[in-house]
Amino acid sequence: IAGITQAPTSQILAAGRRMTLRCTQDMRHNAMYWYRQDLGLGLRLIHYSNTAGTTGKGEVPDGYSVSRANTDDFPLTLASAVPSQTSVYFCASSQGDSGRDTGELFFGEGSRLTVL
Amino acid sequence: GQNIDQPTEMTATEGAIVQINCTYQTSGFNGLFWYQQHAGEAPTFLSYNVLDGLEEKGRFSSFLSRSKGYSYLLLKELQMKDSASYLCAVVDSNYQLIWGAGTKLIIKP
Repeated sequence: IAGITQAPTSQILAAGRRMTLRCTQDMRHNAMYWYRQDLGLGLRLIHYSNTAGTTGKGEVPDGYSVSRANTDDFPLTLASAVPSQTSVYFCASSQGDSGRDTGELFFGEGSRLTVL
Repeated sequence: GQNIDQPTEMTATEGAIVQINCTYQTSGFNGLFWYQQHAGEAPTFLSYNVLDGLEEKGRFSSFLSRSKGYSYLLLKELQMKDSASYLCAVVDSNYQLIWGAGTKLIIKP
């Protein structure tokens, strides 16, 4: 079934460790996003990419980095994890149109990360 | 600043009708989305409104008033499977999505 795949599904990580969350989509969507979701808060955008080769900062980018080497993959890296990065992370994609995208977002199943 | 307001939690009875409200203050407006999110799962698309009025899709309808900065999601003939969180999101003038914190809907038999 076409869609977005995230890995790992869940992970417990020691503070200070490096971690990469993987995201792959097979819908040939231009735009991809990383969100974090915390209890009582809305989805908060970490980083986004409007097209392969470009990335941008969202609302809460500090402590995170992304790359978009090709259309399908959009990994999120925590260089040195801290407990405040404990959250559920969702990768999403949309058809996209050079940043003027108002299309439906398709979400991965999420990655639950716990930083101790 | 930009803000989306939704009730935190609502309770309704199976078979009944419930209306979930969303008010927004954003820099510009280019559409409003409603998503459904079951516990432990990913959000899934329900509706999109960009013009004023009511959009109906089966048991679910979504209404928009741009002049009032207001939308609601109407769920009819409630079923137990409708127990979920409902997320309102607005596309602002920069084509960025601004998300509300979501409304947790509890359905009782």
